[in-house]
Amino acid sequence: DGGITQSPKYLFRKEGQNVTLSCEQNLNHDAMYWYRQDPGQGLRLIYYSQIVNDFQKGDIAEGYSVSREKKESFPLTVTSAQKNPTAFYLCASNGLVGRANTEAFFGQGTRLTVV
Amino acid sequence: RKEVEQDPGPFNVPEGATVAFNCTYSNSASQSFFWYRQDCRKEPKLLMSVYSSGNEDGRFTAQLNRASQYISLLIRDSKLSDSATYLCVVNQAGTALIFGKGTTLSVSS
Repeated sequence: DGGITQSPKYLFRKEGQNVTLSCEQNLNHDAMYWYRQDPGQGLRLIYYSQIVNDFQKGDIAEGYSVSREKKESFPLTVTSAQKNPTAFYLCASNGLVGRANTEAFFGQGTRLTVV
Repeated sequence: RKEVEQDPGPFNVPEGATVAFNCTYSNSASQSFFWYRQDCRKEPKLLMSVYSSGNEDGRFTAQLNRASQYISLLIRDSKLSDSATYLCVVNQAGTALIFGKGTTLSVSS
């Protein structure tokens, strides 16, 4: 079945540690996105990538890094520079048909907690 | 002006009611429009795409007004299971998906 998979579902991080969240899709989508959601808040864009080996910062990129070495994969690293990393992280992907983007599909999310 | 704005609600309605949400967007070059539904502590899921001619899916109707730069979602005959947060999404090809902050709906018996 085609889809987008995030792992792990829950992640605990100690202060000062870097952690990497995985996002894999087999939908042949060109674009992939990372969002952060805090309790009771909307989705805020961290990074996005429209094509392999290229990505752009979103609204809250500080303290995060990404790579896009393969079309299927868009991992997010939460570095120790991110001062308040506890949040729900969502990965999404979509395609391009003509000049319009298709609907986005989301992974199930990763809940990151700093302990 | 924020790129995508929604009334956060909450909208508290009884079962069977009709409720409407609006969403305004600032980028006139936007080409794709969607409504998503998000349940508590879950990922957003596509409810429906929004087309220029308007579209309907059962009890749900979505409309786009390009001149005024807003999209709307109408829910008829509300069910308890419709309780969720509804997210408006706007996109221009080659750019990131832009989400509204969501409108919370609570349907009570």
